[in-house]
Order: sequence, then structure tokens, then C-alpha cells
Amino acid sequence: DTGVSQNPRHKITKRGQNVTFRCDPISEHNRLYWYRQTLGQGPEFLTYFQNEAQLEKSRLLSDRFSAERPKGSFSTLEIQRTEQGDSAMYLCASSNRDRVSGANVLTFGAGSRLTVL
Amino acid sequence: AQTVTQSQPEMSVQEAETVTLSCTYDTSESDYYLFWYKQPPSRQMILVIRQEAYKQQNATENRFSVNFQKAAKSFSLKISDSQLGDAAMYFCAYGAQGGSEKLVFGKGTKLTVNP
Repeated sequence: DTGVSQNPRHKITKRGQNVTFRCDPISEHNRLYWYRQTLGQGPEFLTYFQNEAQLEKSRLLSDRFSAERPKGSFSTLEIQRTEQGDSAMYLCASSNRDRVSGANVLTFGAGSRLTVL
Repeated sequence: AQTVTQSQPEMSVQEAETVTLSCTYDTSESDYYLFWYKQPPSRQMILVIRQEAYKQQNATENRFSVNFQKAAKSFSLKISDSQLGDAAMYFCAYGAQGGSEKLVFGKGTKLTVNP
């Protein structure tokens, strides 16, 4: 397994355009997360899937943001009508709970950097 | 809501020396998990070490160890024999035992290792 893969790695767009990011998690992981990270900050939770079900969404996820995970495999994060404030690194992570300890250990992808001009 | 605070925006250490990064958190839960993640420049975040709150023994992973003080809600990371490759942003994170599946991260500490 090559880990969590994210594409594209960098996207530059003009304000008002739509963008879509893709995440391919580790194949045996049933949990998938999207986080947003701005410069100088830690990652902020956006949303969480268990298999194909979106079970948790942050208030940060405005109605311009939508995430899907069809068939419980890869996931997409779409941002409609982008704004300059959307410029950030979008991180995807996947996990399974540790069978012994129960800890939820996330494995992150390299991220997709969005620049909105 | 749970919060994680890293009070040191930047730290520096000489190669081969020891450095400790601080982290405090706030929660009303008794069972939870704590993590330290490392994010090298322009590279992906990787797990350094984790601690289960129900364990009294501090976790260790080679040169990395933690000082977990549950009553004080403190979770510091000690890096021994620092190496140039340890230079990175370090994030402390909190994960619940039940309920929300998300991890809550601190703002990070930038570690510089001087040769």
C-alpha cells in the first residue's frame, strides 16, 4: 500500500471558480477525514466518513463545501464559488481504530494546496 | 469542547541535545488519546508517538518519549539526541474515546535543530 494519496497537490484558481480535490485512502481503512490547515495553524477538522456514510461535519464546512465518498473508497471535496479565504492546505487522512487499544490513529496524505486569486 | 494548547510557537536545540515541547489540553472526559504528529517542511504529517489516557506509564518510541500528567492535563514531548532530521512542525492532538471521531490539534511548535 502506498499510503494516502491526494490530487492535485496544488491548485491555483480564480475567485468564484469551483475546485475539486480527490483523496485515495489506505485500502483497508474504513474511516476517512478531511482537514483544513492554514499557514501557522494546526489542522482543523472539516468532515468524517465511515465507509460511505458522512457521519460528522464541522461548522467550518459551509454550504459551498461538499464531500462525498461513493462506495466507501476514494473521497472528493468540492468547493463551489471559491473565496480568497478558502486558500489553505486541504489534508485527507484515513484510519482504523486500533483493535487492542481502541486508539484512532490517523495516517495523513501530503495535502492539496489551494490558492484562490 | 476540547482544546489543545501549545504555548511554544518556536523552539531550537543543538544537534545531539535534548529538547522538550509542551502541550496542555482541556477535556471533561476521563478516557481519551493523545498524539504527537510531526510535519516536516512540505511533507506529510506523520505520527511520532501516542498515549492512551488510561495508561499510567509514559509512552516511548526510541528517542521520543512523553511526560503525561493526567491531573494537570499536560502532555509534553521529549526528544533525546536530537538529529537534523527532527527539524519540523510538531503538533499535539487530542482524540476522544467515544463520540466524535475527530482529532483536535494544537497550533504547533516549530523545532529547529542547529548543527
